[in-house]
Amino acid sequence: GNSVTQMEGPVTLSEEAFLTINCTYTATGYPSLFWYVQYPGEGLQLLLKATKADDKGSNKGFEATYRKETTSFHLEKGSVQVSDSAVYFCALSDRRGMNTGFQKLVFGTGTRLLVSP
Amino acid sequence: GAVVSQHPSRVICKSGTSVKIECRSLDFQATTMFWYRQFPKQSLMLMATSNEGSKATYEQGVEKDKFLINHASLTLSTLTVTSAHPEDSSFYICSAKSDSGNTIYFGEGSWLTVV
Repeated sequence: GNSVTQMEGPVTLSEEAFLTINCTYTATGYPSLFWYVQYPGEGLQLLLKATKADDKGSNKGFEATYRKETTSFHLEKGSVQVSDSAVYFCALSDRRGMNTGFQKLVFGTGTRLLVSP
Repeated sequence: GAVVSQHPSRVICKSGTSVKIECRSLDFQATTMFWYRQFPKQSLMLMATSNEGSKATYEQGVEKDKFLINHASLTLSTLTVTSAHPEDSSFYICSAKSDSGNTIYFGEGSWLTVV
């Protein structure tokens, strides 16, 4: 079945460091790919997404490119801030239940990012 | 922006008792809500899809008699863990699909500890 594999955290960085959180997936067909972020005490929020191969999703300085050839969707940011400390989840859409118009999400384990001043 | 509120955020209950977790969409209507569970070092796993006014659809391997889902209104879904056991201790999180679009909003999650 479909699955998502993320690097295990926590990832600990100093402010202004470069961030990469690896994500690879296994899926049949052509899923959409997502990164969600969960700040302390809050719900998951959609950070960015890509719906087809070679698409690049970007938001708040974060980027991820849908690489079909390597089945990857790595999250990157050039200069992290303390406020980026959170748990990041990679996910893909599972297109079961197409008649509902909703794509069920398959998540990775989440990667905690800790950014120190 | 749209908000989904989950309550309680943390709960401890005794083995054999039942515990209810609420998921509310605060400023939008949601015919469809979802319940996920995450064990330590594992992925968020979809447990069931909750549909207002009808029975929930459970994922394979999830006991529907143990995890009772009620979606009685367009803004509220509840998950009741019946006869809880320590192995039910987990992080439970809900999400709601806005009826006015295809956007999904997540709650803050609930930590359940069964002692």
